[in-house]
Amino acid sequence: GQNIDQPTEMTATEGAIVQINCTYQTSGFNGLFWYQQHAGEAPTFLSYNVLDGLEEKGRFSSFLSRSKGYSYLLLKELQMKDSASYLCAVRDRESGAGSYQLTFGKGTKLSVIP
Amino acid sequence: ETGVTQTPRHLVMGMTNKKSLKCEQHLGHNAMYWYKQSAKKPLELMFVYNFKEQTENNSVPSRFSPECPNSSHLFLHLHTLQPEDSALYLCASSQGPGAENIQYFGAGTRLSVL
Repeated sequence: GQNIDQPTEMTATEGAIVQINCTYQTSGFNGLFWYQQHAGEAPTFLSYNVLDGLEEKGRFSSFLSRSKGYSYLLLKELQMKDSASYLCAVRDRESGAGSYQLTFGKGTKLSVIP
Repeated sequence: ETGVTQTPRHLVMGMTNKKSLKCEQHLGHNAMYWYKQSAKKPLELMFVYNFKEQTENNSVPSRFSPECPNSSHLFLHLHTLQPEDSALYLCASSQGPGAENIQYFGAGTRLSVL
């Protein structure tokens, strides 16, 4: 099984930088994903980390440390439209299973204020 | 638009009703998934299909019955549900079930069981 922890809620100011942390415990790590979900909409893929280090994609960056079981999503130059839930998900290979399951955290609700 | 379409978007049903949720993906993917998203809980994987064959069933009660007639369509048949089954049901697809594959989600069906 897995245990994924991320803060429930965060608030940040427009134009600022915010870091959303995710810690996990898993037996067979095979990658970590970040998704963004606006209220009433589909979760949309943001980033994928499988090796240690920082992956940068425009205003969004994601970092992974496998030895620490830790990731963060960094959002720069915050905009009002970034108000959403951010879901951390870990993929591992359950022993005995044929496929790789994706296990999600509860999500972090980010509110961007003027 | 994520390329994954779910209908209906909203559904209200009584405990004795039978209804079906539909998911269609236009991405040419081979794997499809059903997830349940309840308030203040992480997304829970329910079923996985790969090339129309069910590969995962995460201890889902038999009142939920999936059907995958082809790689583009996925159904979730519902009967004699309980009020605690009220949730957002999300469909997703990916190229395959392997570790490197990104899952793309539909906007979900908001189900209320009275």
